[in-house]
Amino acid sequence: QKEVEQDPGPLSVPEGAIVSLNCTYSNSAFQYFMWYRQYSRKGPELLMYTYSSGNKEDGRFTAQVDKSSKYISLFIRDSQPSDSATYLCAMSAGNSGGSNYKLTFGKGTLLTVNP
Amino acid sequence: DTAVSQTPKYLVTQMGNDKSIKCEQNLGHDTMYWYKQDSKKFLKIMFSYNNKELIINETVPNRFSPKSPDKAHLNLHINSLELGDSAVYFCASSTFGLAGEQYFGPGTRLTVT
Repeated sequence: QKEVEQDPGPLSVPEGAIVSLNCTYSNSAFQYFMWYRQYSRKGPELLMYTYSSGNKEDGRFTAQVDKSSKYISLFIRDSQPSDSATYLCAMSAGNSGGSNYKLTFGKGTLLTVNP
Repeated sequence: DTAVSQTPKYLVTQMGNDKSIKCEQNLGHDTMYWYKQDSKKFLKIMFSYNNKELIINETVPNRFSPKSPDKAHLNLHINSLELGDSAVYFCASSTFGLAGEQYFGPGTRLTVT
């Protein structure tokens, strides 16, 4: 079983739709959970950063972490064509000190929002 | 104003050659990373340096050798290039205690023929 599983899609939605992106993981040591967005031929950029279980909201984006189920989600409300990108989940066991804090990425989900 | 920059952006070379990729960050971060993203977009950590010291060294062929002359620079030298080295290589940086908040460079697309 891979440490982090993410459905690669592609996912195509109409403008204004609510998008749900998900990752599952197997390593119970993961405590930090991130979502990165990567536009075509660009480097990833951090979108959301959460610690442990719970929800975090930032504008149209909401990140959810359920550690008991080893499941994380990213919701995008009122999706826009500019949201079209690959979304990568990432996780780490620690935040400082040695290899504990290395990020393990999912394979990314390609999202297209159609106008 | 570029935060994390990489040179070159594109690199096309033949098997067996040696090449280097340079990375610089002006964010004042003390930790830098090299990642490899393959054709299926899978992003995998290769190395990480904190204040010029190697702190992460994943299972990477020893043909790959990182070098950090100072905490703002992290270069990657690759010897005896192979077809399988073709990928996009990303440099990233962060503050040591905030490893989840990494800032990525634009990537170097390496093609080995």
